[in-house]
Amino acid sequence: NAGVTQTPKFQVLKTGQSMTLQCAQDMNHNSMYWYRQDPGMGLRLIYYSASEGTTDKGEVPNGYNVSRLNKREFSLRLESAAPSQTSVYFCASFDSSSYEQYFGPGTRLTVT
Amino acid sequence: AQSVTQLGSHVSVSEGALVLLRCNYSSSVPPYLFWYVQYPNQGLQLLLKYTSAATLVKGINGFEAEFKKSETSFHLTKPSAHMSDAAEYFCAVTNTGFQKLVFGTGTRLLVSP
Repeated sequence: NAGVTQTPKFQVLKTGQSMTLQCAQDMNHNSMYWYRQDPGMGLRLIYYSASEGTTDKGEVPNGYNVSRLNKREFSLRLESAAPSQTSVYFCASFDSSSYEQYFGPGTRLTVT
Repeated sequence: AQSVTQLGSHVSVSEGALVLLRCNYSSSVPPYLFWYVQYPNQGLQLLLKYTSAATLVKGINGFEAEFKKSETSFHLTKPSAHMSDAAEYFCAVTNTGFQKLVFGTGTRLLVSP
């Protein structure tokens, strides 16, 4: 089991550029999440997907879009990157039997 | 609405000393509570969880936490700190049927020789 994988690990963008962060899980979990982590603010939920074909906004969705491509994959897209989106992004999936969330290793994004 | 408050953004201890990281929660229904640890440049991994069974929960690496409903607390402890415990620790809350975790802002544990 690879668990939750994320690509890329690092990315530098210029303001206005777009990019997609990829996430995949091999644990057959229904629910998946995207968080951003900023110093002193903990993890904040951007979007989540309770099942294939459904997505919902979290606490900080502005400037982001998501796609639940299938049960395994959940991508996060920045259409026009802004310096305020400089952050570390984590993807997670949820085991409904144990109530545990499993996290990927993160993507460190810098927008200049 | 649910929320978590972690008191102290930084906690410093000496190697061998007691570790105490504080977490208070707010929840209108019986909560499920979690502690996650994040080592530098890594993702989060689960330390321990409370899901309404025993109130004293033991986790990995010698950590434990006690659920105290009267104090709405779920503090994390370890009797003797090790240098390898230096990391950031997050408390989180959810409840039955609610699949989203609400995280605290984190506490960075510093361990000195």
